[in-house]
Amino acid sequence: NAGVMQNPRHLVRRRGQEARLRCSPMKGHSHVYWYRQLPEEGLKFMVYLQKENIIDESGMPKERFSAEFPKEGPSILRIQQVVRGDSAAYFCASSPPIGGGRNEQFFGPGTRLTVL
Amino acid sequence: QKEVEQNSGPLSVPEGAIASLNCTYSDRGSQSFFWYRQYSGKSPELIMFIYSNGDKEDGRFTAQLNKASQYVSLLIRDSQPSDSATYLCAVNMFGRWDGGYQKVTFGIGTKLQVIP
Repeated sequence: NAGVMQNPRHLVRRRGQEARLRCSPMKGHSHVYWYRQLPEEGLKFMVYLQKENIIDESGMPKERFSAEFPKEGPSILRIQQVVRGDSAAYFCASSPPIGGGRNEQFFGPGTRLTVL
Repeated sequence: QKEVEQNSGPLSVPEGAIASLNCTYSDRGSQSFFWYRQYSGKSPELIMFIYSNGDKEDGRFTAQLNKASQYVSLLIRDSQPSDSATYLCAVNMFGRWDGGYQKVTFGIGTKLQVIP
């Protein structure tokens, strides 16, 4: 049973370029979460999606960032016109359909974004 | 007041000792509590979850939950240098419920150092 997959694992972009990060949830999981982590800092929630729906994007910057989870294919986190401050590790997590108050999230290996 | 509070550490313990990691949370209605371990440069890994008051043991790990005090802890017995990592406390915030969505909020994490 494959875990959460993310690609690419490392991404280098120059300022002003676009970054696309992909996440495939665990089999049977329909909920996807994106987090950002700066060096020596905690996980910061960005967005929570279900298939074709954004449920909570309260942690997403208002500009340049967007996320989707289409009916087919992986979830995509897109960062337009990247700046150096976007350099961070971006983690995706998935969880099974929520029930009974449980919400165990399983994390992918992350994408390390470096903006030159 | 932060929603999930942890001491960032570092917490240093000698090899073989008991490491005690603590976490407090603000939402009295929270239902589910998780401990993640994150090695440097890696993604968080779920190691324990607890839903009921009391203790839950799994190998060298014991999670303790006291909902009246809004406090959850993780004990690591016979600490090993390989336990050196950052431990993230995560809480399923009951109050944030919208059509099946209960948001999980992460603490900043406590860095544990086990000294050989």
